[in-house]
Amino acid sequence: DSGVTQTPKHLITATGQRVTLRCSPRSGDLSVYWYQQSLDQGLQFLIQYYNGEERAKGNILERFSAQQFPDLHSELNLSSLELGDSALYFCASSSPSRASGGGLRTDTQYFGPGTRLTVL
Amino acid sequence: GENVEQHPSTLSVQEGDSAVIKCTYSDSASNYFPWYKQELGKGPQLIIDIRSNVGEKKDQRIAVTLNKTAKHFSLHITETQPEDSAVYFCAASKTARQLTFGSGTQLTVLP
Repeated sequence: DSGVTQTPKHLITATGQRVTLRCSPRSGDLSVYWYQQSLDQGLQFLIQYYNGEERAKGNILERFSAQQFPDLHSELNLSSLELGDSALYFCASSSPSRASGGGLRTDTQYFGPGTRLTVL
Repeated sequence: GENVEQHPSTLSVQEGDSAVIKCTYSDSASNYFPWYKQELGKGPQLIIDIRSNVGEKKDQRIAVTLNKTAKHFSLHITETQPEDSAVYFCAASKTARQLTFGSGTQLTVLP
């Protein structure tokens, strides 16, 4: 168990609908990352938040949006859903740490169990 | 942006044999290289990682090597067991940034 939780585990909806996926990071982690895993595209980065602020964006569609709340949980909103949006959506969390030389170390990311979205 | 290539896409080994998975990356600024194991219906699980200031790291039966000059890194699993069967992903990133993943290797350990 990574300590990252995601709800719901499964979601089935129709084209054109809107859904919200929820992620709770590990205790103490400030960064949340969202990834999409599909058969043809593999694991693709969508968006990163750090302590409530957007930090980086990947190939996230304009129909998708996310936010991170003061309690550090994050939500990914997917709207005007299309068949091609069917995929596994993962959330990962991490915390920065200092290297022995004082510089910022790259975070280790811990993944949640994912939400399987099926668009019919 | 970063591009990570992973080979092979499938790998079958006999129980007790070794397995090697290789990845190359394109961005010389990448400095963090984790490996994840993903079992069916589960999220990726970190199994080992290496940072650009070291060339090799080992944890029991698992080892990772990094060649910064050639921009490639490899996962080595020795004495494979049936429970090692899963999809393995390599990834690369820069400091405090998102991971770019390889396409995955389906490892099957035959009893």
